[in-house]
Amino acid sequence: AQTVTQSQPEMSVQEAETVTLSCTYDTSESDYYLFWYKQPPSRQMILVIRQEAYKQQNATENRFSVNFQKAAKSFSLKISDSQLGDAAMYFCSPLRRGNEKLTFGTGTRLTIIP
Amino acid sequence: DAGVIQSPRHEVTEMGQEVTLRCKPISGHDYLFWYRQTMMRGLELLIYFNNNVPIDDSGMPEDRFSAKMPNASFSTLKIQPSEPRDSAVYFCASSFSRVLNEQYFGPGTRLTVT
Repeated sequence: AQTVTQSQPEMSVQEAETVTLSCTYDTSESDYYLFWYKQPPSRQMILVIRQEAYKQQNATENRFSVNFQKAAKSFSLKISDSQLGDAAMYFCSPLRRGNEKLTFGTGTRLTIIP
Repeated sequence: DAGVIQSPRHEVTEMGQEVTLRCKPISGHDYLFWYRQTMMRGLELLIYFNNNVPIDDSGMPEDRFSAKMPNASFSTLKIQPSEPRDSAVYFCASSFSRVLNEQYFGPGTRLTVT
């Protein structure tokens, strides 16, 4: 079984600044993926970024990047140059390769201060 | 593509009534997922299908819940009889198995049972 901990229920950041959302997980698997999903007020879940556990290089997607520490089972999300449209709930999720069942954390609500 | 389509977007019903939620996955996707989101329990996977066949329904809370996928372009989640504790947002998601397990979510159906 996989468990996910997002220890920051809420975060806020000034527009154009950088913010980091934390996520730790527990899995016995050696081959897995990690995802960050975003849920804006519209409710729709949107994939932000993915990381394959076998890759040492941290994934980057435009203003979004991750700090993946496999030994520590940590997968944090960094948002640079925060924009008002980044305001949302953010969910971290590990997924074992070959499995399809996402396990979501409790989420972090991110507020962007104009 | 129009993305994952769910209907209705909102449903209000009285306790004891039957409720049917509908989902059209993205064309070509071979996996379909049903999730439920509540404040208390977060985002939970209820059931998922592969090539129209149910693979794992361990998340279905009770026998009152049932899901079908009669063909590759349509799935239903039925609750009968509905209870107030079933009030939640229900999401449908689909994915293509050869593309790193990325799941595409629909906009969700907000169900209120009075």
